[in-house]
Amino acid sequence: EPEVTQTPSHQVTQMGQEVILRCVPISNHLYFYWYRQILGQKVEFLVSFYNNEISEKSEIFDDQFSVERPDGSNFTLKIRSTKLEDSAMYFCASSQGLGQPQHFGDGTRLSIL
Amino acid sequence: TQLLEQSPQFLSIQEGENLTVYCNSSSVFSSLQWYRQEPGEGPVLLVTVVTGGEVKKLKRLTFQFGDARKDSSLHITAAQPGDTGLYLCAGDAGTASKLTFGTGTRLQVTL
Repeated sequence: EPEVTQTPSHQVTQMGQEVILRCVPISNHLYFYWYRQILGQKVEFLVSFYNNEISEKSEIFDDQFSVERPDGSNFTLKIRSTKLEDSAMYFCASSQGLGQPQHFGDGTRLSIL
Repeated sequence: TQLLEQSPQFLSIQEGENLTVYCNSSSVFSSLQWYRQEPGEGPVLLVTVVTGGEVKKLKRLTFQFGDARKDSSLHITAAQPGDTGLYLCAGDAGTASKLTFGTGTRLQVTL
């Protein structure tokens, strides 16, 4: 069964550095998403992306964050000048269309030191 | 802000018992999805319910969407140790593409 893949599985970065989290969505899906889950807390929506632009973003997704689809298969989340509170699991998801079920990757564990 | 509250938060039962997990909100959702998440992994989709009053069955799991599309339940019959995990409900408001996740129910099934 097709799946969403994310790399790396674990990223350790010094505070203030930039990180790029990578995702390969399911090939025939058109909508892409990033969520995060701080340890012990709920999964939270960050951003959705469709037709090469952001569809919606949460208040968490401030100027520190950006997303990009640099080619036909990858979908990336960039976090500039990371902070300690950015430490979390970051999940990528994709869906065939608006309102269609979203399928999640296994996440990237981001640890900011 | 839309919120989804799940109950109970934790449930520890013995193999063979039945259980029900509830997912409640004051908001209306166009659809609601149930996921199961294992430690260190992403949420895995179990089912999507769309129509108010809809009931879907997945082997020993029965999912129901409330008539008003504000709540849902997951019933597991004759639980097995393999059912152990974190169960999450997530609502789609329909006007946007984001999912609002519930607080989660952690289920432990012992022999």
